[in-house]
Amino acid sequence: NFMLTQPHSVSESPGKTVTISCTRSSGSIGSYFVHWYQQRPGSGPTTVIHGNNQRPSGVPDRFSGSIDSSSNSASLTISGLRTEDEADYYCQSYELNNQVFGGGTKLTVL
Amino acid sequence: QITLKESGPTLVRPTQTLTLTCTFSGFSFTTSGVGVGWVRQPPGKALEWIALIYWNDDKRYSPSLESRLTITKDTSKNQVVLTMTNMDPVDKGTYYCARFSSWTNFFDYWGQGTLVTVSS
Repeated sequence: NFMLTQPHSVSESPGKTVTISCTRSSGSIGSYFVHWYQQRPGSGPTTVIHGNNQRPSGVPDRFSGSIDSSSNSASLTISGLRTEDEADYYCQSYELNNQVFGGGTKLTVL
Repeated sequence: QITLKESGPTLVRPTQTLTLTCTFSGFSFTTSGVGVGWVRQPPGKALEWIALIYWNDDKRYSPSLESRLTITKDTSKNQVVLTMTNMDPVDKGTYYCARFSSWTNFFDYWGQGTLVTVSS
């Protein structure tokens, strides 16, 4: 089994750009899609990025995803931060038929 | 419009079996590639995948919970049922069902979740 490691928390000011990392412990990051979910307080998760870098309809283009094979990690970048972006963010990937979530990152927009 | 809704007990006793039902609309198990999964979240903690069932009745379970889990589907009723045996207080949390796209392996639509407490 593999793990996905995320920073526990990040913070940034409105209007700035923030990047959240998701590092895979074993297995190649590029071999399995990485997806990102946003969870606002008191709500269920919603997808902000799927398939490494695809935005569902309705998700603003301020959200983008990428992968870096050299560090075996994926990243979620949010530009032009808004207060409504304050939430927990989770990455998710898989191996064979095992689905794994990262530990989540709390984004504070202050 | 795709919706999913979880239902089941809010309180179970230790050692009892939990049975949760996910009732969905806007899609069907008759569509190839469709799956429905369960994900749980202890209070203040991260999401944890539990189980998946696919349109072809293939089933997958979290390795850490597999011995306690059974997932089934009723295609005619658009429902998925999860049973988890031998419940323990550490199993307390919000249980979500979500539609799963097997082509890219992600949960694209989520229910609102249901909070389950395990206590005597």
